[in-house]
Amino acid sequence: ETGVTQSPTHLIKTRGQQVTLRCSSQSGHNTVSWYQQALGQGPQFIFQYYREEENGRGNFPPRFSGLQFPNYSSELNVNALELDDSALYLCASSLGHRSTYEQYFGPGTRLTVT
Amino acid sequence: GEDVEQSLFLSVREGDSSVINCTYTDSSSTYLYWYKQEPGAGLQLLTYIFSNMDMKQDQRLTVLLNKKDKHLSLRIADTQTGDSAIYFCAEMHNQGGKLIFGQGTELSVKP
Repeated sequence: ETGVTQSPTHLIKTRGQQVTLRCSSQSGHNTVSWYQQALGQGPQFIFQYYREEENGRGNFPPRFSGLQFPNYSSELNVNALELDDSALYLCASSLGHRSTYEQYFGPGTRLTVT
Repeated sequence: GEDVEQSLFLSVREGDSSVINCTYTDSSSTYLYWYKQEPGAGLQLLTYIFSNMDMKQDQRLTVLLNKKDKHLSLRIADTQTGDSAIYFCAEMHNQGGKLIFGQGTELSVKP
């Protein structure tokens, strides 16, 4: 059984650019949640996908968008990058949006916006 | 409202017990969690407790929940240097499985 994987590990972008981060969920899991963790803070919920549909969203602007694919892997897209978007982006997978009490996190993607 | 509070730092000696505390505000929380984060890494799920339970024990870890005071604690028995990390308390929001995290408590274990 493979755990949650994320790519890339690190990324440096310039303000105004767009970025795509990727997540492969744990084997058998059909729900993916994305979180943003700024330096020295706890993770903040961005959104969750269940069976390719958005299933809940946190307080993030529309330039944060996502996709989930039939194999339950997921992408997080951020447009018009701002300096404050610099953070560790974590995805977590779980089995079923109504059984999401066990969420397993990947190692994260460290995004730096200059 | 949604808010989870933790003290920021805790320092203990190797072999002692550590107690990390957390308070939360959402009385409708269904599950409460403890995650561990080592430097440069993601979050590791340590344990969780359903809101109708008072206590859960898992090897060296003991979770205590006081639902009336909305207080959660994690006790680590026989703390080792490998336990040095940041520990996050989180509550499960009823809608859509959203986790609300505290700021994290940095545990430092001195030999």
